[in-house]
Amino acid sequence: NAGVTQTPKFQVLKTGQSMTLQCAQDMNHNSMYWYRQDPGMGLRLIYYSASEGTTDKGEVPNGYNVSRLNKREFSLRLESAAPSQTSVYFCASTSFVGLPPYEQYFGPGTRLTVT
Amino acid sequence: KQEVTQIPAALSVPEGENLVLNCSFTDSAIYNLQWFRQDPGKGLTSLLLIQSSQREQTSGRLNASLDKSSGRSTLYIAASQPGDSATYLCAVRLAGGGADGLTFGKGTHLIIQP
Repeated sequence: NAGVTQTPKFQVLKTGQSMTLQCAQDMNHNSMYWYRQDPGMGLRLIYYSASEGTTDKGEVPNGYNVSRLNKREFSLRLESAAPSQTSVYFCASTSFVGLPPYEQYFGPGTRLTVT
Repeated sequence: KQEVTQIPAALSVPEGENLVLNCSFTDSAIYNLQWFRQDPGKGLTSLLLIQSSQREQTSGRLNASLDKSSGRSTLYIAASQPGDSATYLCAVRLAGGGADGLTFGKGTHLIIQP
């Protein structure tokens, strides 16, 4: 049981390049999330997927797109990377099936630098 | 808009001391509150989760309390050890928000001196 996995761990992009961050969970969770973490800003929600086939914007969605490929996988795409997107990106998942506590589990993060 | 504040931003104490980390939130209509630990360059590890109907949760040397009406939570660490050095994050889930994500504080950076 690997929990939440993310690839790649590190990435350097040039301004204008595109890339997709991959996330997968093996806990049969229905909801998945993408956050970014910046110094002095804390973690902020980019997009989330409440269930397979649905996606919704979070606090900071501009410049990103997401795809909920299936129940296990949720990807984040940067179409034209900008230096302001230099950050650490975390994927998370939660199951809202059955009784609480509905704990959120996080992946190890992807450290992205845009030059 | 929900805002979460953590005080202090940084804390350095000698090994063996008991300590309290504080978290406050502006909207008391929360579903639950979760405390995380983050080591440098790593992901988030969940420590404790308190439902809105609960007053506290305990795990080993950690005790988290919740006063929803006043918008406050504390994380108490007993007999601190150097291995407790990390950043501690507080996050809330709003009530009635369905599968909405968590709102995080900026964290308390804790250093335990050997």
